[in-house]
Amino acid sequence: ILNVEQSPQSLHVQEGDSTNFTCSFPSSNFYALHWYRWETAKSPEALFVMTLNGDEKKKGRISATLNTKEGYSYLYIKGSQPEDSATYLCALVSNFGNEKLTFGTGTRLTIIP
Amino acid sequence: DTAVSQTPKYLVTQMGNDKSIKCEQNLGHDTMYWYKQDSKKFLKIMFSYNNKELIINETVPNRFSPKSPDKAHLNLHINSLELGDSAVYFCASSRAGTGGDEQFFGPGTRLTVL
Repeated sequence: ILNVEQSPQSLHVQEGDSTNFTCSFPSSNFYALHWYRWETAKSPEALFVMTLNGDEKKKGRISATLNTKEGYSYLYIKGSQPEDSATYLCALVSNFGNEKLTFGTGTRLTIIP
Repeated sequence: DTAVSQTPKYLVTQMGNDKSIKCEQNLGHDTMYWYKQDSKKFLKIMFSYNNKELIINETVPNRFSPKSPDKAHLNLHINSLELGDSAVYFCASSRAGTGGDEQFFGPGTRLTVL
């Protein structure tokens, strides 16, 4: 069973502040790391799919980095806005021969206006 | 146009009944998935199909049977429903089944078993 951990579990951030959170995963048999944004009453939406060690991806004010050797990824949000309030999920894909995503429990982010 | 759609959105039924949830994607993707969001809000994979062929079959009771009539559809049939089956079920699709492609999720079906 793969253990994908996210921290913190929840986070309150003042509007305009920047923030980041962590996804930790077993570094062996790594294939890909996904990040999803999940707003309440909606469905998860893909942010990034990362495969290479040292990869850094950016979408607007949101960016992510990947360290496959030590088994972690950071998600950064710059200048938080109320619409950033959501649960952010990471999911690991291992190279076991199938494409199964193993999700973490998520970081619930609330932006305080 | 909704990329991944599920019906019904809500399903309330009695224990012991048989029910189906339908999923359709219009993205031209080859791979489709069923996930269960459990009581702790975890998303767990149940099944995946690649071009109508079963690829992933997690440890799910055999009361759950997926059916893929074509690569745009993946339905989930549940026999003899139990209280513990109450959950939100999400369908998803991806371009290929390699794990390197983002997945697109449907809106979810909230199943309540009474």
